[in-house]
Order: sequence, then C-alpha cells, then structure tokens
Amino acid sequence: NFMLTQPHSVSESPGKTVTISCTRSSGSIASNYVQWYQQRPGSSPTTVIYEDNQRPSGVPDRFSGSIDSSSNSASLTISGLKTEDEADYYCQSYDSSNCWVFGGGTKLTVL
Amino acid sequence: EVQLVQSGAEVKKPGESLKISCKGSGYSFTSYWIGWVRQMPGKGLEWMGIIYPGDSDTRYSPSFQGQVTISADKSISTAYLQWSSLKASDTAMYYCVRSPTEIAVADYWGQGTLVTVSS
Repeated sequence: NFMLTQPHSVSESPGKTVTISCTRSSGSIASNYVQWYQQRPGSSPTTVIYEDNQRPSGVPDRFSGSIDSSSNSASLTISGLKTEDEADYYCQSYDSSNCWVFGGGTKLTVL
Repeated sequence: EVQLVQSGAEVKKPGESLKISCKGSGYSFTSYWIGWVRQMPGKGLEWMGIIYPGDSDTRYSPSFQGQVTISADKSISTAYLQWSSLKASDTAMYYCVRSPTEIAVADYWGQGTLVTVSS
C-alpha cells in the first residue's frame, strides 16, 4: 500500500495563486485517478476535482488539478484566491485492492 | 436533487452497540456505491468501506475489517454502519458518500453523523 503526503498548511493572499501538492509514496501517481475534496469548517467535504483534472459542475474554473509523473505527485491549483476558499483540502486515490487512500489534508489560509 | 441524509448524533457508552443510517434520494439507490468515511476530532478523512446496494457487494478497509459492519436495505434506499461494541476511540464524525463505481469519486456526501462514546 502507499501513502499520499500533503503539506500540513499553506497560506496565500487574496487574488494570488496557490498550489497544494499530494505525493504518492510508492507506485505511479498515474496508476489511479486522483480526486480533491474541499472541507470548510463545520461542513461536509465536497468534490472540487475528480479524475486528476476534471471539475464538477458548479466548481469555478479557478480550481484546476494535474499530475506530474516526474515528482510522482498530484497538484491542486487555486487561482484568484478568495476568502471563501479558506478550507481543508484532501487528495484521494485508490490502491491495488481498490481501497480508497486519503492524504492527510492541507489547511489553506487566505490572509 | 441527489441527497444523502444521515441519522442524528449519538451519545453512547463503551461496550454498547450502534447502527447509524444514510438514506439516499433523488437517484437510483441500487445503481451507485455507498461508502463510509471517518473523521476523528481535528483529524483527516479515513475510508472505512463501501457497499453496492444493488447486490450488497461489500468491501472493507483493512483498518476497519472486523470492527464495523456495512449493510444496506435497498427497499428503503438506506445504508447502514454498525458497531457491536463501541470504544471511546470510535468517537468521530462519520460521513456516507455516493460513488458511481467502487473506485470513483465521492460525488455526494451526507451531512455527517457525530458519534460520541464516553463513560
């Protein structure tokens, strides 16, 4: 099995761009799709990216996802940061037994 | 409108049993998987397992195998997560999620059920 490692926290100013990484410990990041979930304080998570780079309807195009095989990581990029983007973000993928694997989460502060 | 509505918060004592529920509506309940995700206080998300209500095919995370039971009653579009003997360490928020396949995105989340286990 593998782990997905995310930075504990990131911060950036409104209007700027931030990138959150998600590094797979073993096996190729490209082997299984990566999803990204946003969890605002006191709320259930919601999907912001699925299948590496797809945005659900209703998610603004300020949110984008990508994978990089050279660093074996996935990234969530949020441009034009707004205070409402302040939340915890989790990446998620699957292992060879079809078990879901979540990253530890990244707290985004917009200040 | 797709909705997953979970049962209310529970306060239990160690050793007690518990069954929480997740009712799906606004879609064909038997055509999507329902998973369960644990979030301990101040911590991240942990996948517990998943069930296909159409035929009750069920998978468990190795971390939760034998610790909980996932089931579903398709006649009332409801999935369940149950414990036979709760521990204080089971104190957490539990979310049910909908997924198009066994390994696809959790496209809808329930509102969560807070389980508190304390003597």
